Amino acid sequence: DTAVSQTPKYLVTQMGNDKSIKCEQNLGHDTMYWYKQDSKKFLKIMFSYNNKELIINETVPNRFSPKSPDKAHLNLHINSLELGDSAVYFCASSQASSGSSYNEQFFGPGTRLTVL
Amino acid sequence: KQEVTQIPAALSVPEGENLVLNCSFTDSAIYNLQWFRQDPGKGLTSLLLIQSSQREQTSGRLNASLDKSSGRSTLYIAASQPGDSATYLCAVRPISGNTGKLIFGQGTTLQVKP
Repeated sequence: DTAVSQTPKYLVTQMGNDKSIKCEQNLGHDTMYWYKQDSKKFLKIMFSYNNKELIINETVPNRFSPKSPDKAHLNLHINSLELGDSAVYFCASSQASSGSSYNEQFFGPGTRLTVL
Repeated sequence: KQEVTQIPAALSVPEGENLVLNCSFTDSAIYNLQWFRQDPGKGLTSLLLIQSSQREQTSGRLNASLDKSSGRSTLYIAASQPGDSATYLCAVRPISGNTGKLIFGQGTTLQVKP
């Protein structure tokens, strides 16, 4: 009955490789997000999708490419991994409501990416 | 540009104490503010959501207040317990752009000693 799930939980890889992280939510939400938490524990938005449409791309390198096959899934593909990509990546979801507001945001357990 | 600041960065208290965590934000044009808890190596657990029209929200021993005009929120924890030890994050949802994204503070790491 997990609300927002991510796979894998841990990912260790070499520089230059390409990897993907998957995210699924079963809350029926229409908006999904990817956040990055750096080594200083600071969380910052990367991408947001609403009903499979990209609505935020916060100056993330184009090596990062999100893909939303349907509104319950938002995957993150990273090309040519660099040392600086090492971080914890969190997926989240929320439901847009009337009045152009958004309700409570729920987070997945995170994926710890280590680039060697 | 919206910035969120949390003070203090770390706090250590004996069990049973009541405590207050502070969050301030620079732009009052927000839809809502959300408080989270993060345990080491874990994800974020949502604690309380305060809409911009609300002044406070309560859940059990937690009470969060919002003063939007002054750009401040507080999280009050009553009768603290060792199980409350975690990092507490506040985040605002800005109106600008209407994207739903959250802007986070750096967090307050709380240790409650038995």
